[in-house]
Amino acid sequence: GEDVEQSLFLSVREGDSSVINCTYTDSSSTYLYWYKQEPGAGLQLLTYIFSNMDMKQDQRLTVLLNKKDKHLSLRIADTQTGDSAIYFCAESTNSNYQLIWGAGTKLIIKP
Amino acid sequence: DSGVTQTPKHLITATGQRVTLRCSPRSGDLSVYWYQQSLDQGLQFLIQYYNGEERAKGNILERFSAQQFPDLHSELNLSSLELGDSALYFCASSRAGTVKDTQYFGPGTRLTVL
Repeated sequence: GEDVEQSLFLSVREGDSSVINCTYTDSSSTYLYWYKQEPGAGLQLLTYIFSNMDMKQDQRLTVLLNKKDKHLSLRIADTQTGDSAIYFCAESTNSNYQLIWGAGTKLIIKP
Repeated sequence: DSGVTQTPKHLITATGQRVTLRCSPRSGDLSVYWYQQSLDQGLQFLIQYYNGEERAKGNILERFSAQQFPDLHSELNLSSLELGDSALYFCASSRAGTVKDTQYFGPGTRLTVL
């Protein structure tokens, strides 16, 4: 069945780049999303990429999509303490109305 | 602020009880989604409504039910509560309820069952 996988934790030093990875199984994915959840808060859409794109850049955020390997990544340049959060990858497909969610990657920033 | 409101923010109750969680979508959004987030299960989609009608069902237990009213607000009813129902319950809304629509999440209701 459909599945989205992410590693549970990522630890980076402040100022370095963070790369959060996600793999998915459904080749009919249409949109792939990155959401951010800060402690005690709801999920906030960070960015999304349509499945016919390879890359999308938005300020410090770069999304890369490798359709062949069904791999999605989110790169955060110059990681700051305010980037500490859980990052969720999600995919949408043509077959249903709901998103398929990953388990979330907790980004830990070391000073 | 996403524009989605949820009440209450916190709820503490006992096993066997029944609670109602409320969600008001963003202005203009016709679709509402309910999610459960627990430590061991991650983010689980429960159910989606579009303009008052159920559109999609996820991992929602039979003890849970939801509805969307004519004014588009939604309520999630949880009954015969068990300890394992303790979780964060999120509501999200989107414009037309399709997979191309961005979902905007509310701040969540934290339910604690004692």
